[in-house]
Amino acid sequence: AQSVTQLDSHVSVSEGTPVLLRCNYSSSYSPSLFWYVQHPNKGLQLLLKYTSAATLVKGINGFEAEFKKSETSFHLTKPSAHMSDAAEYFCVVTAIGGKFYFGSGTKLNVKP
Amino acid sequence: KAGVTQTPRYLIKTRGQQVTLSCSPISGHRSVSWYQQTPGQGLQFLFEYFSETQRNKGNFPGRFSGRQFSNSRSEMNVSTLELGDSALYLCASSIRQGITDTQYFGPGTRLTVL
Repeated sequence: AQSVTQLDSHVSVSEGTPVLLRCNYSSSYSPSLFWYVQHPNKGLQLLLKYTSAATLVKGINGFEAEFKKSETSFHLTKPSAHMSDAAEYFCVVTAIGGKFYFGSGTKLNVKP
Repeated sequence: KAGVTQTPRYLIKTRGQQVTLSCSPISGHRSVSWYQQTPGQGLQFLFEYFSETQRNKGNFPGRFSGRQFSNSRSEMNVSTLELGDSALYLCASSIRQGITDTQYFGPGTRLTVL
């Protein structure tokens, strides 16, 4: 069985400060993990993905995530938040031939 | 390459009507998945089609159906619309990259049921 838990439904940071969005997963198989971002009234955009290569994955717009098998975590980070990062972020897990399982989302607010 | 396109972008229907939404995947992608997104339930998986066959299915009533054509374009149909069907319907096309698929999403169709 596979599932994803996003530990925070809302995160608020000030512009220029670090961002941390937390994601824990459960998977019976070697998982592939993704982060997507959704701006208001838009579709989901792929930020980055982990598929069993390097555990530190770099994505677009300065985001990165680290796969930690021992902690079953795949947290998303960014060193310095920008106003344009305000959006909802989804952590997703899948495995070979399987469905995609979405977390409930984390809304990121960036204060000026 | 052009991204995933969905038509129409906005729809307003009344209860009891039916609706058909269309999705054109990225060229070369053979899998298309549909999701319903609402503020209360979040993102919920409807179904996935691969090479014109339904490969996976979510937990939705039979009023929700879909199909895929030989060119990989997909349609989903909702019959006998209910107020609760108001949602953003997202389509994603996917392709095998490495050991698993990667999904790419369209902009969605916003359905309002009055």
